[in-house]
Amino acid sequence: EVQLVESGGGQVKPGGSLRLSCTASGFTFSSFHMNWVRQAPGKGLEWVSSISGGGEYIYYGDSVKGRFTVSRDNAKNSLYLQMDGLKDDDSAMYYCARVTYSGSYLCDNWGQGTLVTVSS
Amino acid sequence: SYVLTQPPSVSVAPGKTATITCGGNNIGIKSVHWYQQKPGQAPLLIMYSDNDRPSGIPERFSGSNSGNTATLIISGVEAGDEADYFCQVWDSSYDYVFGDGTRVSVL
Repeated sequence: EVQLVESGGGQVKPGGSLRLSCTASGFTFSSFHMNWVRQAPGKGLEWVSSISGGGEYIYYGDSVKGRFTVSRDNAKNSLYLQMDGLKDDDSAMYYCARVTYSGSYLCDNWGQGTLVTVSS
Repeated sequence: SYVLTQPPSVSVAPGKTATITCGGNNIGIKSVHWYQQKPGQAPLLIMYSDNDRPSGIPERFSGSNSGNTATLIISGVEAGDEADYFCQVWDSSYDYVFGDGTRVSVL
């Protein structure tokens, strides 16, 4: 059974930093691209970042480019999101999701999320 | 950037059919995926590549995609189908795009 467990969320002041983690199990982690997707309270889903299985290819949404850094450690079956220069608008539930391809890329399994609150 | 347009809400009586649309420019040539999100839960993939269901998703859920509109259909709606539904596409130009979501209410 695929399991994704996020951690590292919390409350932080504007301009601060936070590092999110996602631990995967139940599949060959290194074989899959992974995504971070966020959801502000009462809002829709917003793609944040993608990383390929080996970590060679990395992409970011425009709203986080230059502030967030995605990485992975395949030996530890773990995905990370380093968030610097946090803004109020970054407050959201952050989900990690496994990516698969069928006609185009999609998220076939999601973690339960970790909540990030940016507030002074 | 690419925009996906969904109705904010759809109301349906139990046992009837709910139709959720996802509009986008020439979306018919893209592969559309759908997620269901119940309150307090993570999104769940319920439809991929327009009309394929992951294992465990009831046959009551079906999809189509043509022209400028993709559609998710829920037949024989049950109380447990109350949720937010999001469509999603991917393209190398703009990566992942989600619709704003449609809240399905069962009367």
